[in-house]
Amino acid sequence: GQSLEQPSEVTAVEGAIVQINCTYQTSGFYGLSWYQQHDGGAPTFLSYNALDGLEETGRFSSFLSRSDSYGYLLLQELQMKDSASYFCAVGGDTGRRALTFGSGTRLQVQP
Amino acid sequence: EADIYQTPRYLVIGTGKKITLECSQTMGHDKMYWYQQDPGMELHLIHYSYGVNSTEKGDLSSESTVSRIRTEHFPLTLESARPSHTSQYLCASSGLENTIYFGEGSWLTVV
Repeated sequence: GQSLEQPSEVTAVEGAIVQINCTYQTSGFYGLSWYQQHDGGAPTFLSYNALDGLEETGRFSSFLSRSDSYGYLLLQELQMKDSASYFCAVGGDTGRRALTFGSGTRLQVQP
Repeated sequence: EADIYQTPRYLVIGTGKKITLECSQTMGHDKMYWYQQDPGMELHLIHYSYGVNSTEKGDLSSESTVSRIRTEHFPLTLESARPSHTSQYLCASSGLENTIYFGEGSWLTVV
């Protein structure tokens, strides 16, 4: 089976940097993804790491260490609009397994 | 942006009624999914499909059924709705890459 752990809530101020951690246990690993979901909205894709290291996309970066079964999402220059829930997810390879999502981290950005 | 559509967006129905939630995508994706999500909670995979005439149950036990007669269409049916089925249902699809695209969701309330 697959399970993921991430903090339930994180609070930060505008302009700051925040890191959301994710640890996972899987029987087969096919990459770690991150999704953002605003209240009342649908999840949207942020990033994907198949290999160890850092992937950067604008203000967002994602890191993966397969040996530690660990990854994180780094959000820089926080803006109010970044207040949302962030989900890590594993799976989703080109084979048959669908994504399994973590329970989500609710990020509150304060002025 | 992804082209995946769900109807109805909001529905209130009585206990025991049959309901079908519609989902269509215009991206030609082979893989489609149904996730269930209560407000502020994690996403649970309830059904997935890897192509026409291919459907499998997900991690969360569900009393719903799905069909995949056409690539673009993946409806979910509840034969007899119960209050415990009250939730948000998210349809999603993915192609060869690892990105999953979600529809806007269908909010179901069973009274």
